[in-house]
Amino acid sequence: KNEVEQSPQNLTAQEGEFITINCSYSVGISALHWLQQHPGGGIVSLFMLSSGKKKHGRLIATINIQEKHSSLHITASHPRDSAVYICAVRGTDKLIFGTGTRLQVFP
Amino acid sequence: SQTIHQWPATLVQPVGSPLSLECTVEGTSNPNLYWYRQAAGRGLQLLFYSVGIGQISSEVPQNLSASRPQDRQFILSSKKLLLSDSGFYLCAWRVPGQWGNTIYFGEGSWLTVV
Repeated sequence: KNEVEQSPQNLTAQEGEFITINCSYSVGISALHWLQQHPGGGIVSLFMLSSGKKKHGRLIATINIQEKHSSLHITASHPRDSAVYICAVRGTDKLIFGTGTRLQVFP
Repeated sequence: SQTIHQWPATLVQPVGSPLSLECTVEGTSNPNLYWYRQAAGRGLQLLFYSVGIGQISSEVPQNLSASRPQDRQFILSSKKLLLSDSGFYLCAWRVPGQWGNTIYFGEGSWLTVV
């Protein structure tokens, strides 16, 4: 069993839909990252969380440390949100990655 | 400002040939440095990390090696590439000891071993 599990693996949506991507982990962490990987491979860090909730534009990330679970929400999704979204947890100096959720948003 | 450069961006190498990917960081000192690989259809896998010059930790046994000859330079190498070495390689860095700091990724290198 992977230490970081993401669901769903693939997700398609119509423009404007509300999207949720989930991440569960089984190890103790100091922080959790949500990353966005574009088709060309480039990776951008969206959020880093250690507790609670963060919001940036149409993106919202939450984490429940007790339940070892985090969610990434996208409100009013747009085709430009199409990418792979990756959850990664940090123990000491190492990041452990989920396998990613491939999101496609159609107009 | 802090930036990270990684090169080459793409390369096609024959089986058995050597490999050298280079990563340099600007605008910070004594960063933790990381090499990750993403095989086709799979998640990111940590290959090596370094907390200082000459200090390399290997996460996955393989025919790759890493070196950190200078504080802000991290090199991924192989003496003889295998087909299974094909993938997307990412260099990353973060400031050590500060849990509030995020991780920054390079542009990535696409390696195809033929």
